Amino acid sequence: DAGVIQSPRHEVTEMGQEVTLRCKPISGHDYLFWYRQTMMRGLELLIYFNNNVPIDDSGMPEDRFSAKMPNASFSTLKIQPSEPRDSAVYFCASRTSSQETQYFGPGTRLLVL
Amino acid sequence: SQKIEQNSEALNIQEGKTATLTCNYTNYSPAYLQWYRQDPGRGPVFLLLIRENEKEKRKERLKVTFDTTLKQSLFHITASQPADSATYLCALDENSGYALNFGKGTSLLVTP
Repeated sequence: DAGVIQSPRHEVTEMGQEVTLRCKPISGHDYLFWYRQTMMRGLELLIYFNNNVPIDDSGMPEDRFSAKMPNASFSTLKIQPSEPRDSAVYFCASRTSSQETQYFGPGTRLLVL
Repeated sequence: SQKIEQNSEALNIQEGKTATLTCNYTNYSPAYLQWYRQDPGRGPVFLLLIRENEKEKRKERLKVTFDTTLKQSLFHITASQPADSATYLCALDENSGYALNFGKGTSLLVTP
């Protein structure tokens, strides 16, 4: 298996622009998680899905952030409009319902100027 | 409030020694605790899981202990090698058992 796939790997954008991050979970995994990692705050859970349904989005910073999972093999995290404080590494992870281990993607490094 | 605390200072040890990393938590009642390794520019990789009813877990040169009374886990790497240099994260499950909360990690540097 290719593991969790994220794109793009790097994104540089200007403040106010829309940013879309993409994730393909491991086939057969029914849980998908979006995290954000910064030096100051560490790795924070933003939102997670079970069988494509959002279960807990309490970690989403504000209304500028939205996430969707239209099918079992694809999820997006969108920031609109982006701000410099959104600069971070965004990780996607997936797992099965029967195993507690989470498998992380390589991350998207976002820089908002 | 809930907190997961790991040593913020980097741990520097000599090759061959045992590295011990600490994870303390407050206001959690986790069913299990996990340790992950993260290399620069990469996502975290799962290492070990220990459940609340387990005191100790081993995997090759790795050992994890879990004391739910002290609310602490210790992560040991015996016979450490330069290749063990990385950041190590501990993670606790939320009440749902599916989401994880992570500590900020401890950076380990093993020098030859």
